[in-house]
Amino acid sequence: DTAVSQTPKYLVTQMGNDKSIKCEQNLGHDTMYWYKQDSKKFLKIMFSYNNKELIINETVPNRFSPKSPDKAHLNLHINSLELGDSAVYFCASSQDPGLNTEAFFGQGTRLTVV
Amino acid sequence: RKEVEQDPGPFNVPEGATVAFNCTYSNSASQSFFWYRQDCRKEPKLLMSVYSSGNEDGRFTAQLNRASQYISLLIRDSKLSDSATYLCVVTGSSNTGKLIFGQGTTLQVKP
Repeated sequence: DTAVSQTPKYLVTQMGNDKSIKCEQNLGHDTMYWYKQDSKKFLKIMFSYNNKELIINETVPNRFSPKSPDKAHLNLHINSLELGDSAVYFCASSQDPGLNTEAFFGQGTRLTVV
Repeated sequence: RKEVEQDPGPFNVPEGATVAFNCTYSNSASQSFFWYRQDCRKEPKLLMSVYSSGNEDGRFTAQLNRASQYISLLIRDSKLSDSATYLCVVTGSSNTGKLIFGQGTTLQVKP
C-alpha cells in the first residue's frame, strides 16, 4: 500500500544512454517533486509540479525533462547520461505547496552511470 | 555559504544519553521548519515540524530561534533505533513547497 512509489529502484547504465524514472502517488496530493541526493548526501530539489503545472525548475541541465501526465504521476527522463548524474533520485509529493505541508518521499532510485 | 548548515557528525552516544543537534539557515524569509529523519539507504521521513514557541513529541524537542536563524533538536533517553541521519529542513520564502535540506547529522546510538 505504498504512498509514493518510484521505479526502478536501481538503475545502472552507460554514459550517453537515455533513461526514465517513473513516480506515482496514491495520496491524492496536488504537488509532486523530484529531488537529487548526491554522494555527499545533500538533497536538492530539481523540479516541482502542482496539478500538472511546472512551478519549480531549479538550475538543472536541460537533459533532464520531467513529465506529468496527471497529478498522480511525475516521471523524469534523462538524456545523454553523464557520470556526474550518478546519484539517488527521490520523488516526493505533498498535499499542496503551502507552508508546513509534509512531503512524502518515494524509496529512491539509485542511478549509477558507468 | 550553504543555505542550511549542520554539523555532519557522526555523533556516537550510549543508549539513554541525551543528544542535541543544531542547524543554522541563511534565508531570514524562510517560513517553515522541519526535522526529517533518513535511515541508511532509505527515503527521508518527517520527524517533526518546528514552531517558534518550541514543540515536543515524546523524547524529541525542537526549538526555533528566528532572530539567530537557528534550529535545534534534542533527543532524550536515546534508543538504538534512533540511529539515523537527522536532516534540518527549511522552506524557501515563496509558497512553492520547496524544501531546502541541510547535509544531515548522523547519530549512532550504541548499546
